[in-house]
Order: sequence, then C-alpha cells, then structure tokens
Amino acid sequence: KNEVEQSPQNLTAQEEEFITINCSYSVGISALHWLQQHPGGGIVSLFMLSSGKKKHGRLIATINIQEKHSSLHITASHPRDSAVYICAGLYNTDKLIFGTGTRLQVFP
Amino acid sequence: ETGVTQSPTHLIKTRGQQVTLRCSSQSGHNTVSWYQQALGQGPQFIFQYYREEENGRGNFPPRFSGLQFPNYSSELNVNALELDDSALYLCASSSPGQGNTEAFFGQGTRLTVV
Repeated sequence: KNEVEQSPQNLTAQEEEFITINCSYSVGISALHWLQQHPGGGIVSLFMLSSGKKKHGRLIATINIQEKHSSLHITASHPRDSAVYICAGLYNTDKLIFGTGTRLQVFP
Repeated sequence: ETGVTQSPTHLIKTRGQQVTLRCSSQSGHNTVSWYQQALGQGPQFIFQYYREEENGRGNFPPRFSGLQFPNYSSELNVNALELDDSALYLCASSSPGQGNTEAFFGQGTRLTVV
C-alpha cells in the first residue's frame, strides 16, 4: 500500500528560526512533491524531487531514496512562511498520494 | 499563478442535490486529477482523466463521476450530495506522457453541503 507520513503535524516557530519538516514514504513511490497550502486553499508546488537536494531561496528540500525519507527546510523563517506544508508521493508515474500536512506558524 | 483555474470558488448545496465543478488545465497538459480535501486532512485522490478517458480512480462511490473534454478541461460531478461531501475539491493538471510529472494545482472549489 502506498503511504506518505509527515511530521510534525503542527509546528510553531519564532521569526528567523530554522525549520525542518519530515516526510517518510513507502515502496512504490518514485518521486516526492513538497507543496504549500495557504488558508484560502490553493496549493502551490514548491519542489518535485526524486534524488539529491533542491534549493529555492530560503527553501531546501532533500530526499534519501534508500531510507525513503525527505525533508523540507526553511532557513531564516518569516511570518509569511506560515502555511500548511504537504508532501505528496508520486506513484504509477502520474498519481499523487498526500501526507496529512504540517501546519506551520511563524511568529514575529 | 499556475494557469489551472477552477470554478466556482465557493458553493453551497443542499443534501440530495447534484453539483458540477469545473477545471481548466494548464496549457499543454493532457491529464487532470481531482482530489477531495476534508477539513484538517490531506487531499485524497478521487480520479484522473487522461485524453478524455478515466485513468485511475480512488476509493470514492460511483456518485462521483467526471468528464474530460477535447481541450483537456474537466468536470467533476457529484450526485445525491451528502453532508460529508463538504470539502475543498482540488484539480491538478500534468502531462506525464511528455516526461513531465510535475503537477500544477488550481485554487480549489470549497463545497458546503447543508
């Protein structure tokens, strides 16, 4: 069964803190998406990765294929980073299975 | 902005009614996937359409049905609405057949069933 698990479920941080969100996935998932969802509901794709590491601004995503684990890091966090972060595993080349999300709140 | 648009953005329906949600895919994308996201949960896969044919379905009853049109836009239809159908409905477009598995999401339609 394809599964994706995220931790933590909720995360609060002070501005400028370094943040890590973790995602574990099962066999059969070939790539991981990291997504951001703001209160309005719309989802924005941050990264898609199947190996190594990707960086965009203050966001870094890593994946360890052997351990079936991925992390999303936010450096120098800011209140505008407050959102739900979701990891989603890609299986059968074109279908996504989602984690339950991590609700991040960054306070000034 | 992703180029994936959904309509309407919000909708209130009565139990037992039928609803149609619409999704216009990103230009050049031939695959549309629909997801249901209940409050506080991650999105759940409903079904996917590829070149006007259903291409996979999640654990949803037959009263959830869909269509994809020649321009690759898509509709999600739900008959005999139940209170538990209240959720955010998301569509995502992609083009995996062209080697690009990145998905682009719409803003979602928030359906409330009363």
